[in-house]
Amino acid sequence: DIVMTQTPLSSPVTLGQSASISCRSSQSLVHTDGNTYLTWLHQRPGQPPRLLIYKISNRFSGVPDRFSGSGAGTDFTLKISRVEADDVGVYYCMQGTQFPLTFGGGTKVEIK
Amino acid sequence: QVQLVESGGGVVQPGTSLRLSCAASGFTFSHSAMHWVRQAPGRGLEWVALISYDGTYKYYPDSVKGRFTISRDNSKNTLYLQMNSLRTEDTAVYYCARGNNDGAFDIWGQGTMITVSS
Repeated sequence: DIVMTQTPLSSPVTLGQSASISCRSSQSLVHTDGNTYLTWLHQRPGQPPRLLIYKISNRFSGVPDRFSGSGAGTDFTLKISRVEADDVGVYYCMQGTQFPLTFGGGTKVEIK
Repeated sequence: QVQLVESGGGVVQPGTSLRLSCAASGFTFSHSAMHWVRQAPGRGLEWVALISYDGTYKYYPDSVKGRFTISRDNSKNTLYLQMNSLRTEDTAVYYCARGNNDGAFDIWGQGTMITVSS
């Protein structure tokens, strides 16, 4: 199974500043079809997860451009610019390249 | 309105069975791959099952393989998860989610809670 490792576990951020979350996979996430199925999700307390970023860097419909994804192979990053109060919660990376699909352990973003 | 609504959760004893349902609306269910994902209390997300748009293909992680069965009824726009031989470690909120062609889960339900306890 592909293990997804996220760092940090927790990220206290000042409003208006940036936050960066790292996600590393135990194997390359490049699929045989050439795509890299690395996804970022955000879960607010008491809510289901919602899709933010797919295939490394593509923002889902309605996601503000303050959210950006980057990376390749086994190393990926989610950056949140100009953090707002509504951005708190847990962020998960997920790989959809190989079964079983697996998630990172999550990074909790909170406001200082 | 695009929506997924899960039902069927509750408190059950170890070793028993339960079936979850997920009613879809607002999108073409019969064209969509569907997943179940669960989240134990205070824990992260775990993928549980995938079914292709027509029900031909089904995939599971080892943790539920042989105990859980995913199915769908496209005439009713409904997804199911039959859970047998339930264990205490199956206690979680169960979400249904749509899988898109970009390998992502783009629509999520609100979830239904399963508690397995004696």
